[in-house]
Amino acid sequence: QVQLVQSGAEVTKPGASVKVSCKASGYTFTDYFIHWVRQAPGQGLEWMGWINPNSGGANYAQKFQGRVTMTRDTSISTAYMELTRLRSDDTAVYYCARIPLGPGAFDMWGQGTMVTVSS
Amino acid sequence: EIVLTQSPGTLSLSPGERATLSCRASQSFSSYLAWYQQKPGQAPRLLIYGASTRATGIPDRFRGSASGTDFTLTISRLEPEDFAVYYCQQYGSSPWTFGQGTKVEIK
Repeated sequence: QVQLVQSGAEVTKPGASVKVSCKASGYTFTDYFIHWVRQAPGQGLEWMGWINPNSGGANYAQKFQGRVTMTRDTSISTAYMELTRLRSDDTAVYYCARIPLGPGAFDMWGQGTMVTVSS
Repeated sequence: EIVLTQSPGTLSLSPGERATLSCRASQSFSSYLAWYQQKPGQAPRLLIYGASTRATGIPDRFRGSASGTDFTLTISRLEPEDFAVYYCQQYGSSPWTFGQGTKVEIK
């Protein structure tokens, strides 16, 4: 079945980096953009950016410019989101979600990856 | 950046009642608006896209509508599984943005 499966929870320190993976299955990986959305504990949803798995092109929210990099490996249908120079307020659940090429809503989400930043 | 303002913050209703959730946009962006449902510990689930089209498998008690920059999600008769947090989201203009959410709780 169609699914996005993310890597497991991470605990890391301020100033470090984290890389979260999102493996797609059940559909053609390059037919859908992958977006990343995060949710701090008890808070709402915050869009971070997207990657086009076909071209590798990416677009990031201004807030994360310079700290986030989104990449993909088409050979294993996996997208990655790396966030650097972590701070305590980066503690959140990070989700990947897919959108069909062209304007569209997030019709499939990963299960989420909890990233905890703590000294 | 398009700001989405959801109201009310919390809606306290009983099963069987009608729920009306509002999402107001700071500027126009056509009908590229979606609604999601999120339950504790789960990822959001797409309910409505294009302001009024139900996603696959979504029951017809969920209805989306639009009037200019005002969008509404109506749940005609609340089922026990409908108590959750609902978010609106626009995908017509980058950056994609979400409303702050409306919690529908059991009265």
